[in-house]
Amino acid sequence: GAGVSQTPSNKVTEKGKYVELRCDPISGHTALYWYRQSLGQGPEFLIYFQGTGAADDSGLPNDRFFAVRPEGSVSTLKIQRTERGDSAVYLCASSLPGADNEQFFGPGTRLTVL
Amino acid sequence: GQSLEQPSEVTAVEGAIVQINCTYQTSGFYGLSWYQQHDGGAPTFLSYNALDGLEETGRFSSFLSRSDSYGYLLLQELQMKDSASYFCAVRDGQNFVFGPGTRLSVLP
Repeated sequence: GAGVSQTPSNKVTEKGKYVELRCDPISGHTALYWYRQSLGQGPEFLIYFQGTGAADDSGLPNDRFFAVRPEGSVSTLKIQRTERGDSAVYLCASSLPGADNEQFFGPGTRLTVL
Repeated sequence: GQSLEQPSEVTAVEGAIVQINCTYQTSGFYGLSWYQQHDGGAPTFLSYNALDGLEETGRFSSFLSRSDSYGYLLLQELQMKDSASYFCAVRDGQNFVFGPGTRLSVLP
């Protein structure tokens, strides 16, 4: 079946702009995670959804970052007033109920803030 | 705080065995996972240990010692395609903490 998909694959924006990154998880996966990864580093946890609700958003760096999952499937990560330091690959992952330790990652969105 | 440590780089030759270590320090612990990531690709799940001991999956095995806050990934019969970065990850409550990654280079 289809894996996790993310759009766009690349996003270039200017400092101060607003961006939205989309994630389509695997059908039936109730858990959804957002991470960001800088070059040469491991994925950094941002937020975890179980169904429609954010079960843990402790990784969001500040209030410029926000994520939603209104129908318990597709999720959107929103970044306001982007800064150059936001440049990274944003990864989305999903997992089956009760199997959070085996996450399926999407290909990521490479965000570049000029 | 939460932290995981891994060697930054490991080099080995085709056919050899290599061990990638991971030590962790987290406020909670619900298991140790391992992921592989090729350059430009997405992380892919390799294995998971919830309890102490060795888990074997084909050429890859993973070990956990909770009393030592330590685990390792063992790769046998190395192939060129195993050249990638390997990350350990610990579940701490509802979130996951990933290590900095170990870059494995397999030489012919």
